[in-house]
Amino acid sequence: AQKVTQAQTEISVVEKEDVTLDCVYETRDTTYYLFWYKQPPSGELVFLIRRNSFDEQNEISGRYSWNFQKSTSSFNFTITASQVVDSAVYFCALSEARGFQGAQKLVFGQGTRLTINP
Amino acid sequence: GAVVSQHPSRVICKSGTSVKIECRSLDFQATTMFWYRQFPKQSLMLMATSNEGSKATYEQGVEKDKFLINHASLTLSTLTVTSAHPEDSSFYICSASTLDRPYEQYFGPGTRLTVT
Repeated sequence: AQKVTQAQTEISVVEKEDVTLDCVYETRDTTYYLFWYKQPPSGELVFLIRRNSFDEQNEISGRYSWNFQKSTSSFNFTITASQVVDSAVYFCALSEARGFQGAQKLVFGQGTRLTINP
Repeated sequence: GAVVSQHPSRVICKSGTSVKIECRSLDFQATTMFWYRQFPKQSLMLMATSNEGSKATYEQGVEKDKFLINHASLTLSTLTVTSAHPEDSSFYICSASTLDRPYEQYFGPGTRLTVT
């Protein structure tokens, strides 16, 4: 069975601090996808990144960076120089990759509520 | 591109009544649609998966007679909550995928259901 664990329920930091959100996953599949989503107070999910299991390269997008380590089954997310607008709930998610069988469900972690204080 | 809409965005209904939520893919054909439920301050939990033209596949613990899902076309899926009760109050989110990019799920903005 697949499982995603986000051990940090809530994080609160002061603006401009760096913050890392942890994500640990479990799966028996050799091929899978990992995702991060942002959910602001409006509720709409905002897609941040997708990474497939064969691509362990770290990714940087502006102030956001992701560290994927298969050896520890982790896919951590770092926000550098945080801003108040980064305040939201962040979800890590996992899906199987079964190409010819079509889309597979997403298994979400419990989410981390991030508050950036001015 | 890849826009998914949901209607209504908010709905309040009385206990015992039924309510229908629509999920539409506006600019692509969605071969698969997913329905998730999110209780306050909790994570998203998959309720069911529906493929166009087929019966929905429900997750364990989700009552298929209570949560009726129809995916009659490649652009529309509906979730009907029948005989709603206050414990059904939740945020319902749909997502849609295409056959050529099954690893992408495009999420709708969600529907907040309140049962009084």
